Amino acid sequence: AQKITQTQPGMFVQEKEAVTLDCTYDTSDQSYGLFWYKQPSSGEMIFLIYQGSYDEQNATEGRYSLNFQKARKSANLVISASQLGDSAMYFCAMMTGGFKTIFGAGTRLFVKA
Amino acid sequence: DAGVTQSPTHLIKTRGQQVTLRCSPKSGHDTVSWYQQALGQGPQFIFQYYEEEERQRGNFPDRFSGHQFPNYSSELNVNALLLGDSALYLCASSPGGPHEQYFGPGTRLTVT
Repeated sequence: AQKITQTQPGMFVQEKEAVTLDCTYDTSDQSYGLFWYKQPSSGEMIFLIYQGSYDEQNATEGRYSLNFQKARKSANLVISASQLGDSAMYFCAMMTGGFKTIFGAGTRLFVKA
Repeated sequence: DAGVTQSPTHLIKTRGQQVTLRCSPKSGHDTVSWYQQALGQGPQFIFQYYEEEERQRGNFPDRFSGHQFPNYSSELNVNALLLGDSALYLCASSPGGPHEQYFGPGTRLTVT
């Protein structure tokens, strides 16, 4: 069965510090894509970062990096230098077969001043 | 360049009624996916449309149906509404294939 697991319902981080949000996935497909999205209280899902299953380098996008460990089936999101505006829900997602995307339950991040 | 747009923003319906939600994809995107997000949960994949055909479907009953028009815009129809259909409905577009999806602001549906 294909599944995304996010085990941290909520996380706190001090402003300007780094934080890691955990994500593990399960799939029998060899080709898949892993995504992280941010959802502020406004509700809109904002794309942050993408990692392909065949990509050997970890993806980075500005302050976001994805720690991809294929053997462990983990795709953790690292946010460096946290900002107050980073407070939001964060969802890990997986696309398999090129079409269907499944999401985890999400992690709510609170950034403290 | 306009992003993904959805209408209406909010909607209140009564059990048993039918509802139609609309989505216009980002310019250059030909694939539209619909998701249902219940309060406090992650989005659940409903279906995806490409070239005016339903390409893949999630675990949703036939009460949920959709359509894609030649200009790639899409509609989600839900018949015989249940209280459990109350959720945020998100539309996402992509240029096809394993690319990142761009989401619209969503339509919040409340069924009373």
